[in-house]
Order: sequence, then structure tokens, then C-alpha cells
Amino acid sequence: QSALTQPASVSGSPGQSITISCTGTSSDVGGYNYVSWYQQHPGKAPKLMIYDVSNRPSGVSNRFSGSKSGNTASLTISGLQAEDEADYYCSSYTSSSTHWVFGGGTKLTVL
Amino acid sequence: QVQLQESGPGLVKPSGTLSLTCAVSGGSISSSNWWSWVRQPPGKGLEWIGEIYHSGSTNYNPSLKSRVTISVDKSKNQFSLKLSSVTAADTAVYYCAVVPAAIDAFDIWGQGTMVTVSS
Repeated sequence: QSALTQPASVSGSPGQSITISCTGTSSDVGGYNYVSWYQQHPGKAPKLMIYDVSNRPSGVSNRFSGSKSGNTASLTISGLQAEDEADYYCSSYTSSSTHWVFGGGTKLTVL
Repeated sequence: QVQLQESGPGLVKPSGTLSLTCAVSGGSISSSNWWSWVRQPPGKGLEWIGEIYHSGSTNYNPSLKSRVTISVDKSKNQFSLKLSSVTAADTAVYYCAVVPAAIDAFDIWGQGTMVTVSS
């Protein structure tokens, strides 16, 4: 069982917006602004999409945005494109000795 | 731009020790970054294994701590993972990744290497 809870799957049509949630506790998501999101296509390494809750690395489309409220972080993808179909993982720093925890992953299907 | 490349045996026998190396190019391992190992069992999610700073300071996932050693070799600009007493549950793709000082996230990842534990 993953430390952070994500929905197993979400779907949307091209052009639509979707949001993926990531729920933790006050020891991780709620306690630090060190939430990040990763995109992983089949057979590929994860790619950083959002860091520190809402910051985008250079080169990441502005269609990707992040936010946080309490113990739940969210990733929103607007203007869905076929290439966005992938698995998405959230991660957070944690005050526990584990240091870094991940969510179980969400499979995004673009219909 | 830093690049990471994992290497090591793809097959390890049960009860043996898994040993992997991550070569760092395009940057120095002595920079202000934490160097991490993350694994992903087939069809499953990501699991953080541990991290090391160039000074040798380490942090490990408590669930693996008794079996894990991460070390750094500054002369070769690389860091390594050793996982002892492996079982089939340790079969996974192993990634090395870097957490830069300015970005509290796994910014750059290696391509990953599949390690199977089987006799």
C-alpha cells in the first residue's frame, strides 16, 4: 500500500481538462510544499512535470499545473492531448524516516 | 545537463546481493545534490530506496534499511547501490535519480535497469 493515495485511473477527451488527486497526511503533503508529479510512458523512466507543488521545470508545457489544499495535492492537465496518455505519480517529502514517498500512480486515458 | 546511466547484472540469485552503479555525466557528483535510487516492480508503482550526498551522508527507506548500502565514488563520478539477501520481491526496474539543491524533487532520471531475482 502506497503512502500517498491516488485514483487508479482517470480519463478525458482531447481538449478537455482532468485533475488527478494525491492525498497524504500532515506529515507529508500537508506539512511541506515539496510535492512533485511525474509522467511515465510505458517502458520509459519517469519525467518530472511539477515540483514544489506548482512549479514547472523548463520545457514542460503550461497545460500542466499543480496545487495543494490541506493534505491533498492535485495535478491538472488542460487541453488534453493524445500524448498525455501515461501513468502519473505524485511524490512528497515526509517527516518520517522514509524521507520520500510516492503515490500508487494514476493511469490517464485520453479517449 | 546532467545525465545518469545505470549498469549492473540483470539477473541475481535469491539470497544474493544486487549491485548497481549509476554513472554521472555532464556534471559533478560533488555538486550540491542528493543522489537517489528508486525502484519499480513490474506493473507496480515507484518505491524510494535511499539517497546519498557527496559527503557520504545517507538516508534509507526504513523498509529496506537493513539490507541497503549506497556509496559514492568521487574519482569515477558515480554512486552505487547494494541490496543484500534479495528475494523475488526485489525484482524490479531500478532507477537512479538526482534531487538538486534548488528543486525538491527527482529532477533527472536514468533510463532504468531491470533486475530479476531468480535461480
